[in-house]
Amino acid sequence: GDSVTQMEGPVTLSEEAFLTINCTYTATGYPSLFWYVQYPGEGLQLLLKATKADDKGSNKGFEATYRKETTSFHLEKGSVQVSDSAVYFCARSGNQFYFGTGTSLTVIP
Amino acid sequence: GAGVSQTPSNKVTEKGKYVELRCDPISGHTALYWYRQSLGQGPEFLIYFQGTGAADDSGLPNDRFFAVRPEGSVSTLKIQRTERGDSAVYLCASSFMGQGVRGANVLTFGAGSRLTVL
Repeated sequence: GDSVTQMEGPVTLSEEAFLTINCTYTATGYPSLFWYVQYPGEGLQLLLKATKADDKGSNKGFEATYRKETTSFHLEKGSVQVSDSAVYFCARSGNQFYFGTGTSLTVIP
Repeated sequence: GAGVSQTPSNKVTEKGKYVELRCDPISGHTALYWYRQSLGQGPEFLIYFQGTGAADDSGLPNDRFFAVRPEGSVSTLKIQRTERGDSAVYLCASSFMGQGVRGANVLTFGAGSRLTVL
């Protein structure tokens, strides 16, 4: 069935390190893909999105490219900051808007 | 309103009691979703409304859970005979649906209602 699978955490990085969080999806058709972020004590917020194959979503230095051939939407950032510490959720559109289980990121100074 | 509003933000109840959780979506958003999030997990789909009708309620875990949206705006999630396993954060999200419209088909979430069943 339709689903989203993302890399398990937790992930701990030093400030200015490179970040990749993997996400793959299954779907019939061509869904829109999203990354949501949940900062400590806050609700889910949209980080970025891509609506069709080869689209690149970007925001706050984060990027993800919609890869139809590998059914992936990996999240990347070239240089993480302490303020990026949060839980990141990959999601795909559909009646149910399927979410992954989340990847916790901690960035240490 | 400016965002999705959920009340109460926290609810503590005893096993067996009845609970109502309210969601006030962004004005003009026709689609409304309820999710449940347990600690360390992603949002688990419960039900989706398009307008006043439940377009997909396949995520409701059993018949103790019910949701309504009588006027196509505010929605109430109702849980009867609560159990300890119902303890979670209940999230509401809304969206407007459309093609080629900026911001369409993107979920905006409320802060959630944390339910604790003792």
